[in-house]
Amino acid sequence: AQSVTQLDSHVSVSEGTPVLLRCNYSSSYSPSLFWYVQHPNKGLQLLLKYTSAATLVKGINGFEAEFKKSETSFHLTKPSAHMSDAAEYFCVAPGIRYGQNFVFGPGTRLSVLP
Amino acid sequence: GAGVSQSPRYKVAKRGQDVALRCDPISGHVSLFWYQQALGQGPEFLTYFQNEAQLDKSGLPSDRFFAERPEGSVSTLKIQRTQQEDSAVYLCASSLGQGIINEQYFGPGTRLTVT
Repeated sequence: AQSVTQLDSHVSVSEGTPVLLRCNYSSSYSPSLFWYVQHPNKGLQLLLKYTSAATLVKGINGFEAEFKKSETSFHLTKPSAHMSDAAEYFCVAPGIRYGQNFVFGPGTRLSVLP
Repeated sequence: GAGVSQSPRYKVAKRGQDVALRCDPISGHVSLFWYQQALGQGPEFLTYFQNEAQLDKSGLPSDRFFAERPEGSVSTLKIQRTQQEDSAVYLCASSLGQGIINEQYFGPGTRLTVT
């Protein structure tokens, strides 16, 4: 079965320092992968998606992610954290049933300290 | 234009009551998804519509859950005889194209509390 693992439930960084949010997936086929962000009291928003084109994907707000098939990873990074980046981040992969459902990881809560 | 809207935003139901949650997708979006998000967890897929057709309902946890989208636009998720374990945020998302490769736009969710 398809599954998504986010290794850290909570990450805390200082403003201006790099961000790394880790994601690993399991799949028997080359997937599409996504990162979504959920700010408090706001809807989920797509940050970026990988769809078998370039392995380094750039998203909104300076975030990017690199797809590494050999490591089955899709880690999210940002060179310099901003206070407004504090939110919950979800790594998302397609499910196997009909290819039409999403499988969300458990989420990583990012805190940004002044 | 308006995004995905959901109503009510908050619902408190007594155990055993029936509830109906509404989702207004972005106009013209073909695909509509429902998810359940328990506290502190990621959303879990419930069901998927392509226009008015319910193509996947594999995530519905029991036969007490029922979803419809009769005219291919507004969707309603109904939960009969609510139980405490149904307490969660119910998220609706829509996308322009078919399937999941297209970006999904999420509504703010309906927080259901069953007492």
